[in-house]
Amino acid sequence: QQQVKQSPQSLIVQKGGIPIINCAYENTAFDYFPWYQQFPGKGPALLIAIRPDVSEKKEGRFTISFNKSAKQFSLHIMDSQPGDSATYFCAASKKTSGSRLTFGEGTQLTVNP
Amino acid sequence: KAGVTQTPRYLIKTRGQQVTLSCSPISGHRSVSWYQQTPGQGLQFLFEYFSETQRNKGNFPGRFSGRQFSNSRSEMNVSTLELGDSALYLCASSLGHRDSNYEQYFGPGTRLTVT
Repeated sequence: QQQVKQSPQSLIVQKGGIPIINCAYENTAFDYFPWYQQFPGKGPALLIAIRPDVSEKKEGRFTISFNKSAKQFSLHIMDSQPGDSATYFCAASKKTSGSRLTFGEGTQLTVNP
Repeated sequence: KAGVTQTPRYLIKTRGQQVTLSCSPISGHRSVSWYQQTPGQGLQFLFEYFSETQRNKGNFPGRFSGRQFSNSRSEMNVSTLELGDSALYLCASSLGHRDSNYEQYFGPGTRLTVT
């Protein structure tokens, strides 16, 4: 019940496109859902996060959509740019587990010029 | 504020040896978590320290251990290294108060290669 499933494994879009990355979780105790962006040779960087009391959150070109009943959440990147090419990870945690994050498998995004 | 720092950035060790990795959290952060990242297993939680106490532990063997100092800096130790321990070891810091989730910020990682 601790798993977070992420899809697709890889994604290629053209500049200006809107890549969508999906995640599904099993444990209904999860109450915090962050997304991280990782470039080669770097640590993951926190992009945006959402809690289950809202269905959508936007920060700049990044939007999280959250569907509590389906236990799914997704990341949308508006007007994608070649500089967005990176690996994206969804994650989940619950208050009773402190700072422990359970990560999805990752999505390698390529944005072509 | 300075970000999370990890030292060393790269390490090459021989099977059977032990290794110690260091992490300095963001100033004011009291929680430090460690993760192992490999191509096959992805990002896996090792353990979390808060106020010098281990608060959470993942499913790793006892060869993996850690500690936290009074200034919140943390070290991770792996004894009797195996080839499969080759990975990027990431440290993350957060405010970490109990019964709440806070944003976690990752360091650049230590790339460990076991030969």
